[in-house]
Amino acid sequence: DGGITQSPKYLFRKEGQNVTLSCEQNLNHDAMYWYRQDPGQGLRLIYYSQIVNDFQKGDIAEGYSVSREKKESFPLTVTSAQKNPTAFYLCASTRTGPNTGELFFGEGSRLTVL
Amino acid sequence: AQSVTQLGSHVSVSEGALVLLRCNYSSSVPPYLFWYVQYPNQGLQLLLKYTSAATLVKGINGFEAEFKKSETSFHLTKPSAHMSDAAEYFCAVIHSGGYQKVTFGTGTKLQVIP
Repeated sequence: DGGITQSPKYLFRKEGQNVTLSCEQNLNHDAMYWYRQDPGQGLRLIYYSQIVNDFQKGDIAEGYSVSREKKESFPLTVTSAQKNPTAFYLCASTRTGPNTGELFFGEGSRLTVL
Repeated sequence: AQSVTQLGSHVSVSEGALVLLRCNYSSSVPPYLFWYVQYPNQGLQLLLKYTSAATLVKGINGFEAEFKKSETSFHLTKPSAHMSDAAEYFCAVIHSGGYQKVTFGTGTKLQVIP
């Protein structure tokens, strides 16, 4: 079945460590996104990518980095510069084209900083 | 810029009662609006979307929403709540301007009381 796979589902990190969250999709979607979810704040956009080898900062990119070397993959690195990284991270994808809009989400990765 | 406001971070209904979750939008152009549902520790799933074809939109699991331009609203309803409807619901709007940026509301948690 087509879909988006995020891993790991749960991750614990010590302060000062970088961690990378994986996101893979087999939907043949061009656009991919990373959102951060905190209680009561909805989803906030971290980075997005419309095509391979190109990506743009979202609303809260500081302390995060991404790459898009393959269409199927859009990993997110949470760096030690991110001051409050404990959150639920969601990867999503969508077809490009005028206002297609529907996002397909992975199951999420919950990061906890110890 | 487009935005959405969800009124009520928590809503409780009795099983079998009407579900009404409120969403108001702000947009300088005709919006594309969405409702998503999220079960605990999972990603979001599309319930329904409005793309100007019809003002009353039917979605999955018996949910529907009506686009009311005069009230700038897109409220989500279901005639009879089931226990399985307990989840968090997000209203979202897509930005115009060439890429698929979606802005989410802060979410409404629905509790269904037996």
